[in-house]
Amino acid sequence: DAEITQSPRHKITETGRQVTLACHQTWNHNNMFWYRQDLGHGLRLIHYSYGVHDTNKGEVSDGYSVSRSNTEDLPLTLESAASSQTSVYFCASSRDGTMYEQYFGPGTRLTVT
Amino acid sequence: AQSVTQPDIHITVSEGASLELRCNYSYGATPYLFWYVQSPGQGLQLLLKYFSGDTLVQGIKGFEAEFKRSQSSFNLRKPSVHWSDAAEYFCAVGQTGANNLFFGTGTRLTVIP
Repeated sequence: DAEITQSPRHKITETGRQVTLACHQTWNHNNMFWYRQDLGHGLRLIHYSYGVHDTNKGEVSDGYSVSRSNTEDLPLTLESAASSQTSVYFCASSRDGTMYEQYFGPGTRLTVT
Repeated sequence: AQSVTQPDIHITVSEGASLELRCNYSYGATPYLFWYVQSPGQGLQLLLKYFSGDTLVQGIKGFEAEFKRSQSSFNLRKPSVHWSDAAEYFCAVGQTGANNLFFGTGTRLTVIP
């Protein structure tokens, strides 16, 4: 069965370190998204990609970067982790077209100490 | 700009009682509308979606939602709540010509026996 996976599921890191969160989908979807979820804010879009070599900034992109070298993967990098980036991160993917729902991964809980 | 409002942060209902979760959106054209559910520690799962046609849509787990253009609303309903329905519920709207979804801040549902 097609799926979307995230790794690691839990991560503790120190302030200032570079961290990369992995997202892998086997749906063959062109569109991939990264969100962070914080209490009181719901889901906020960090970055998204509509295809290989395409990346776009979302609502809360400062301090984050992504790259898309193939269809299946969209890794999210925190260049220099900050305590404000402690959050739960969700990756999602979808087919082309607004009418197609996004499929979500199980999430990564990141703690920056 | 698009926006999604879920005015109820937290709702508590008794098992067996009916449920209505509110969602209002702001968007000029006909929106694409979604309801997602998130169980504790899990990713988001699609409950139902509306694109066009019949304004009352049926979803999984016995949920339904009604699109009311005049009220810019897409409220989620269930006639009889089960304890397993306790979760966080998110309304989302998509726009024509784009692949992004805009999410509300969520409503947390507690079910008491």
